[in-house]
Amino acid sequence: AQTVTQSQPEMSVQEAETVTLSCTYDTSESDYYLFWYKQPPSRQMILVIRQEAYKQQNATENRFSVNFQKAAKSFSLKISDSQLGDAAMYFCAYRSAREYGNKLVFGAGTILRVKS
Amino acid sequence: GAGVSQSPRYKVAKRGQDVALRCDPISGHVSLFWYQQALGQGPEFLTYFQNEAQLDKSGLPSDRFFAERPEGSVSTLKIQRTQQEDSAVYLCASSLSLAGGLFGPGTRLLVL
Repeated sequence: AQTVTQSQPEMSVQEAETVTLSCTYDTSESDYYLFWYKQPPSRQMILVIRQEAYKQQNATENRFSVNFQKAAKSFSLKISDSQLGDAAMYFCAYRSAREYGNKLVFGAGTILRVKS
Repeated sequence: GAGVSQSPRYKVAKRGQDVALRCDPISGHVSLFWYQQALGQGPEFLTYFQNEAQLDKSGLPSDRFFAERPEGSVSTLKIQRTQQEDSAVYLCASSLSLAGGLFGPGTRLLVL
């Protein structure tokens, strides 16, 4: 079974600075998808960024980028120019590329605090 | 609708009571997932539908949990004889493909 590990329960960053959230995963599959989700307090889960395992190029979405290291099974999220609105719980998630049973497997999450 | 909706948003139940949680996915989304999220934890998979077919229910924690999607759109998660350990946020997500899927706001269930 696949597992996702987020080793940082909590991180803090100064507004306008850069922060990196770590994620590692374990799988025997070669084709899969990785995601970062943001969940603000008492609000719904929002997709931040997605990476296909077959792509070597790291995904980027505005201030958000990933460092995908397939051999190391590592998938970190970098947030540049941090804003107060970035404060939330961030979840790393894995999904198999198989046609069926493609549920998301989540890590335990990292709370990100942004200081003004 | 514009997004995935869930109702009720909050539910307080007495231990032993049955509850029903509803999910309205985005129109046309064939895949629908239910997840359970305990306080301060990541969501955990409960069950998966492709249209009306329940293809995976391996995450349902006990036979007190039952889910259905009879017409391939709205889904209901039913919990019978609720226990305190059932207290959690229940999330529904729908998707067209292997994209991440869009989540609803969740139903926060508190069992007293």
